[in-house]
Amino acid sequence: AQSVTQLGSHVSVSEGALVLLRCNYSSSVPPYLFWYVQYPNQGLQLLLKYTSAATLVKGINGFEAEFKKSETSFHLTKPSAHMSDAAEYFCAVSGVEAELVFGQGTRLTINP
Amino acid sequence: DGGITQSPKYLFRKEGQNVTLSCEQNLNHDAMYWYRQDPGQGLRLIYYSQIVNDFQKGDIAEGYSVSREKKESFPLTVTSAQKNPTAFYLCASSIGDITYNEQFFGPGTRLTVL
Repeated sequence: AQSVTQLGSHVSVSEGALVLLRCNYSSSVPPYLFWYVQYPNQGLQLLLKYTSAATLVKGINGFEAEFKKSETSFHLTKPSAHMSDAAEYFCAVSGVEAELVFGQGTRLTINP
Repeated sequence: DGGITQSPKYLFRKEGQNVTLSCEQNLNHDAMYWYRQDPGQGLRLIYYSQIVNDFQKGDIAEGYSVSREKKESFPLTVTSAQKNPTAFYLCASSIGDITYNEQFFGPGTRLTVL
């Protein structure tokens, strides 16, 4: 069965510092992977997705993620954090029956 | 503008009552989904529908029911059988094959049992 593990339920970085949010997946088939962002009391917005094309995927708001099959990872990064990046981030993998399986989420806090 | 609407934004329910959460999309998407979100648990799939008049149970379907009579609408009923319904509920839709198409989410409904 597909599963996703996000390491760290809370991550705190200083404004301007590197953002690294970790995601590891388990999949019995070639995975399609997604990162979503959620602001308080709102729905989820897609940041980026991996669909077996380029292993380095660029998304919105300066975020990118690299698919590493050998490590079964899909970590999300941003070179320089901005205050507006404070939100909750979810990694997800496509399931075998056309559903999405989500990780537990990582809350990102930006310190001024 | 195309998108997904959910109503109401906040809903209060007394124990023993059934309540229905609305989800409408004008994206012409075939597939629709309902998720439940609890703090620290991510999103868990309740039901999904890939075509009108057909739907499947997700991981936590007990105590919930859905219908899909129209392509644009996928209401969720939280029944009195759901023992702990207080949560944030998110509706989503996708073109159909989510193996490579992302899901688009509505703004959510926060349900509180009094």
